[in-house]
Amino acid sequence: NAGVTQTPKFQVLKTGQSMTLQCAQDMNHEYMSWYRQDPGMGLRLIHYSVGAGITDQGEVPNGYNVSRSTTEDFPLRLLSAAPSQTSVYFCATRNRAGSSDTQYFGPGTRLTVL
Amino acid sequence: AQSVTQPDIHITVSEGASLELRCNYSYGATPYLFWYVQSPGQGLQLLLKYFSGDTLVQGIKGFEAEFKRSQSSFNLRKPSVHWSDAAEYFCAVGRSAGNMLTFGGGTRLMVKP
Repeated sequence: NAGVTQTPKFQVLKTGQSMTLQCAQDMNHEYMSWYRQDPGMGLRLIHYSVGAGITDQGEVPNGYNVSRSTTEDFPLRLLSAAPSQTSVYFCATRNRAGSSDTQYFGPGTRLTVL
Repeated sequence: AQSVTQPDIHITVSEGASLELRCNYSYGATPYLFWYVQSPGQGLQLLLKYFSGDTLVQGIKGFEAEFKRSQSSFNLRKPSVHWSDAAEYFCAVGRSAGNMLTFGGGTRLMVKP
C-alpha cells in the first residue's frame, strides 16, 4: 500500500514548456486534489475531483488543467509554464465514506520554471 | 469565503518549554479544523482535527488543540517541546462534501537546545 505517490520529485522547466505532474493513489479514495505551496501563503487549492470524470476549480486554477479518467490517477498539466508557477505541488486524497474527512498528502513535486 | 490566519510566521522555543501556535479562522458555520505538520522536504502529516463535540482535541506526538467559537480560534499546544518538533505547522479549515481545505500561511517552529 503506497498511499499517495507523486512523480517527478523535482523538475526544471523553461518558460513556455509543457509538462504533466503525476499523482496516483491506491487507497480507492474518491476525492483527489492538487495544491501549490508558496512561502508565507500556505497551501492553495488548484483543482479538485470528487470522483472519476468530475473535476472542479479551486482557488488558483489559471494555467493548470486536470482530468480524472480513473479513480487512481489525477494528473496536473501545465500547458505553457511560467515563472510564477515555480512552487511545490502537493496531491492529496480523501475518502468520502466515513466521518474522518482526513486528507492524505503525497510527498510533493518541486517545480522550477526558468 | 473561508480564511485562516496564523499570526506568527516564526516561533523559537527552548527544548522542554511549552508551546502554543495560534490559528484564527473565518467561516460562516461550524468549521472542520485541522492542524498539519510538515518536516523539511516532506509532505504534510495530520496532527489532529476537530469536527464537533469536545472542544479540546488530542492529537499525535503529544499535541492538543482547543476550539473556541467565541474567538474563532483553534490554537495548537504542547506542554513540553522536543527538538524533533522543529517543523512548519499549518492550520486549515474546511467542510466535507467537496469543499477542500483552506490553509493558513504556516508557522515555522525552531527549537533551541
